[in-house]
Amino acid sequence: NAGVTQTPKFQVLKTGQSMTLQCAQDMNHEYMSWYRQDPGMGLRLIHYSVGAGITDQGEVPNGYNVSRSTTEDFPLRLLSAAPSQTSVYFCASSYSPLGDFDYGYTFGSGTRLTVV
Amino acid sequence: GENVEQHPSTLSVQEGDSAVIKCTYSDSASNYFPWYKQELGKGPQLIIDIRSNVGEKKDQRIAVTLNKTAKHFSLHITETQPEDSAVYFCAASIAGGYQKVTFGTGTKLQVIP
Repeated sequence: NAGVTQTPKFQVLKTGQSMTLQCAQDMNHEYMSWYRQDPGMGLRLIHYSVGAGITDQGEVPNGYNVSRSTTEDFPLRLLSAAPSQTSVYFCASSYSPLGDFDYGYTFGSGTRLTVV
Repeated sequence: GENVEQHPSTLSVQEGDSAVIKCTYSDSASNYFPWYKQELGKGPQLIIDIRSNVGEKKDQRIAVTLNKTAKHFSLHITETQPEDSAVYFCAASIAGGYQKVTFGTGTKLQVIP
């Protein structure tokens, strides 16, 4: 059972370039999300999805696009990379029951992105 | 919106001692409080969680307490070991409100052998 798989692990981009960060999970989780982690700022939500075909913005969505064509995959696209997008990006998924309580997240191992 | 404050930002303890990390939250509607451990170069991993209908939860050397009246919750690690060294994050969320998960800024715990 692989859990949440993120690729690539490391990436260097030039300002203005575009790229896609890949995220795949094999746990049949309905909920998937993207976070960025910056020193002293914790984890901030970029975009999330509660199921195939459904996406929504989080706290810091500008400069990023997402789509969810399947339950398993949730790619994050950087449209025109900027130095401010230098960060560590984490994909997370969660079981999404119809009950009253949230469940914890399963995180991927992260993508360390540097924009020069 | 929700605001989660976490203290301390760094914590050093001797092996075998206890470690306590505290978080406060602002939104009284929050009712799910997970804790994550992040080892160097890895993603955060859920280690324990507590829901608002419970005041304390234990799992071996780890325990979490919740005071809803004061809006704070704490992580307690007893008999610390070097492998407990990591960054710990608390979070608060509202059931069913996935976009409302708010993380603390993290505590770097160092266990000195």
